Amino acid sequence: TQLLEQSPQFLSIQEGENLTVYCNSSSVFSSLQWYRQEPGEGPVLLVTVVTGGEVKKLKRLTFQFGDARKDSSLHITAAQPGDTGLYLCAPRSGSARQLTFGSGTQLTVLP
Amino acid sequence: DTEVTQTPKHLVMGMTNKKSLKCEQHMGHRAMYWYKQKAKKPPELMFVYSYEKLSINESVPSRFSPECPNSSLLNLHLHALQPEDSALYLCASSASDRGHEKLFFGSGTQLSVL
Repeated sequence: TQLLEQSPQFLSIQEGENLTVYCNSSSVFSSLQWYRQEPGEGPVLLVTVVTGGEVKKLKRLTFQFGDARKDSSLHITAAQPGDTGLYLCAPRSGSARQLTFGSGTQLTVLP
Repeated sequence: DTEVTQTPKHLVMGMTNKKSLKCEQHMGHRAMYWYKQKAKKPPELMFVYSYEKLSINESVPSRFSPECPNSSLLNLHLHALQPEDSALYLCASSASDRGHEKLFFGSGTQLSVL
């Protein structure tokens, strides 16, 4: 079983602040996905990062895949209450359909 | 249509009851999944169906019985559940996007076992 640790586990910040969450493993992955799950909903895919060192931006969200493809980070600029949710990273090994998730970061953005 | 529809949204059942959770997608996806999620925890994979055949069973107790009647439907039959089985049950389907599976999740069924 691939062990994927996310940190911090819980994060509560004020609207307008910046934050970074991390996803770390000792294993190398072919790619990594980030999902966000809002209360009462299923997770929604935000991004897939594939290449070591890759940086992808989605509006105020910046995703980075580590050079060695073992870790990833998600940075949110000027957080808004709508960013509240459970952020999950999910490693991918090839095209395998066995998708497991990291331990998750529960983010709360207060107005 | 990019939706995965799950019914019911909420379910309360006793430990002797038999019930079924249903999941439907019309995106033509050939892989479908069941996940179990406890509050504030990540989803845990239970079953994967690929082309209507069970391809992965993550050592799930036999009181959970999946069924894939056709490529659009996925059921989870429940029998003799325990209170610790109370959780959000999520269904997902997936499609390959440039060689990487992209999952689409339903909103889940919140199950309470009394």
